[in-house]
This record gives sequence, structure tokens and C-alpha cells, in this order.
Amino acid sequence: SQQGEEDPQALSIQEGENATMNCSYKTSINNLQWYRQNSGRGLVHLILIRSNEREKHSGRLRVTLDTSKKSSSLLITASRAADTASYFCATALRGGYQKVTFGTGTKLQVIP
Amino acid sequence: DGGITQSPKYLFRKEGQNVTLSCEQNLNHDAMYWYRQDPGQGLRLIYYSQIVNDFQKGDIAEGYSVSREKKESFPLTVTSAQKNPTAFYLCASSIVGRAGETQYFGPGTRLLVL
Repeated sequence: SQQGEEDPQALSIQEGENATMNCSYKTSINNLQWYRQNSGRGLVHLILIRSNEREKHSGRLRVTLDTSKKSSSLLITASRAADTASYFCATALRGGYQKVTFGTGTKLQVIP
Repeated sequence: DGGITQSPKYLFRKEGQNVTLSCEQNLNHDAMYWYRQDPGQGLRLIYYSQIVNDFQKGDIAEGYSVSREKKESFPLTVTSAQKNPTAFYLCASSIVGRAGETQYFGPGTRLLVL
């Protein structure tokens, strides 16, 4: 089963609203990343948060990490139509070389 | 202009045929990866390579093969043993193969079976 599971699977909001998507994982991680994928394209890295960090910002993005609950959230503020995409969390486990495991993604639609 | 290129964008495979997907990067990254993405699913790791002339199986390596003869190149062959190859294939690279390094993705190749 996937290490990371995003919630909700799909989200539709009006332009200007905030979008929040969540990621839960099962085992202790080294770090967690969020990626965006536009339809039919490759993934683009958005932000990385390490296990000893609780919150990180990048422009209109805010990521939180709660290691006690094994969960992370991605908040996109003041959404734009261009934010329409699928968003994936990716977890890296502790210890040695560990591959990054991607979740199933949240499909975000921002309606102009 | 640095980045990762994948070719072709679309690839058609006939039954029993082997096909090779190209992945090239000029980012001077040591690690490279191949993922498969099916509709509504996340990415699943096929193979990864941390250094030239070395590679490891990922979660779904059966029916696939790779080579890493040059740092810049990591081609993926989908063999006839892969019975359900229709998917979107993504190549990625990272600086080193440590846990959770940021990965940079190519634009993908969509493989379809005739």
C-alpha cells in the first residue's frame, strides 16, 4: 500500500479561495515533499519539509507537518485558475538510501 | 537550458515487441529514476540508479530493463514480458541518491499498445 495518502482525492474551488489538501503516512520519515502535476506533464517540485520542521512557506504555499499524527497539509492561498493540477505528497523514510514514495494525489480544480 | 528530456512523447508498441524510452539529463545529477503512472494512481518506482553502471529494482521492475552507461542517460526498455505496458512513464533525476532529495522530472512518455 502507498506510504502517503492524500485527502481529498478531488477538490473544486472558486478562484480566490484557499485550497487545503492533506497527506497521511504510515512510518517515520526523513522528509516530506509536495509536487504538482499539470495534466499529461511531468511533476514539478513545490516544497520540502524536514521531519524536524513544523511549518514552511513558499509564496502562496504553506506546508505543515505533524509527525505525531503522521500527517502533512498543503495550503494554497488565493487560488488561481493556473493552480489547477494534481498535487502529490512524497515521503522519504529514515535511514540510508530510501526511495521516495508518492501518494495517489489530490486533483484540484480552480474555477475562474 | 538545463533539464531532463524524454522521448518520444508518444510510443506505440505491438504485441511481443520490445520498446525503449529515452531519458537524458544535463543537470549533472548522479541519481536517476523511472516511474510508471496509471490513471488515478500515484507514481510507482520501476528502477533507479545512484551512479553510473549501477542500478536497482524498484517496486514494479518485472518486464522492464534499464542501463546506465553514461551519467546523462538512463534508457528504459519495456520488454514483451510486460503484459500491461499501457501507462505514462516519467523519468526523474536528483543530485545524489540520498533519502528524499528533490527530484526533477521530465515531461513523460505515454506508451500505448496497438
